[in-house]
Amino acid sequence: DAKTTQPPSMDCAEGRAANLPCNHSTISGNEYVYWYRQIHSQGPQYIIHGLKNNETNEMASLIITEDRKSSTLILPHATLRDTAVYYCIVRVRAGANSKLTFGKGITLSVRP
Amino acid sequence: DAGVIQSPRHEVTEMGQEVTLRCKPISGHDYLFWYRQTMMRGLELLIYFNNNVPIDDSGMPEDRFSAKMPNASFSTLKIQPSEPRDSAVYFCASSEQGAGTDTQYFGPGTRLTVL
Repeated sequence: DAKTTQPPSMDCAEGRAANLPCNHSTISGNEYVYWYRQIHSQGPQYIIHGLKNNETNEMASLIITEDRKSSTLILPHATLRDTAVYYCIVRVRAGANSKLTFGKGITLSVRP
Repeated sequence: DAGVIQSPRHEVTEMGQEVTLRCKPISGHDYLFWYRQTMMRGLELLIYFNNNVPIDDSGMPEDRFSAKMPNASFSTLKIQPSEPRDSAVYFCASSEQGAGTDTQYFGPGTRLTVL
């Protein structure tokens, strides 16, 4: 699987949009971008994934650049409960359940 | 659905003792994963099963670790003998193939401390 690069941390104000960047310059054509998050002392939680089109669900939006070398996870109205470590992962979906390889992630702190 | 269930939630044991961690996946899920998380190494995949069969155990650190899945609703991760460096949080996750998604659902984890 291709590797990803994320800044170690960022913060944002409650109620504002949180834009979390991820670089994956060596991504292959059949690899998807996945985002999971881990709130302190809990197991990781799936957020969203995409291949090349932008995706949106009830939790977040995923914007993937046209060359697919980077992406941004957007939490439109961050709350204190969104404080967590966010992991950007690239992986193939052939066989559906190939490994999830977690990096260090980005720690998002939402301030009141 | 109750989600992925893990037991115990906390385990404290002494070096050399056998430790058994347990996991009940979400009903109907055909994949089960065991992960370990430490401050130093982050979140690592140890082993995963498909339809109760181990598929990839390349992440299992050494022979002291073993995992079984005797049926679709139960899996164990055993450490024998345990060592202080095994202290970590162990997560179990499950997923379903062929439903248009391969989201992994994680349990709450077992925090293991080996003294």
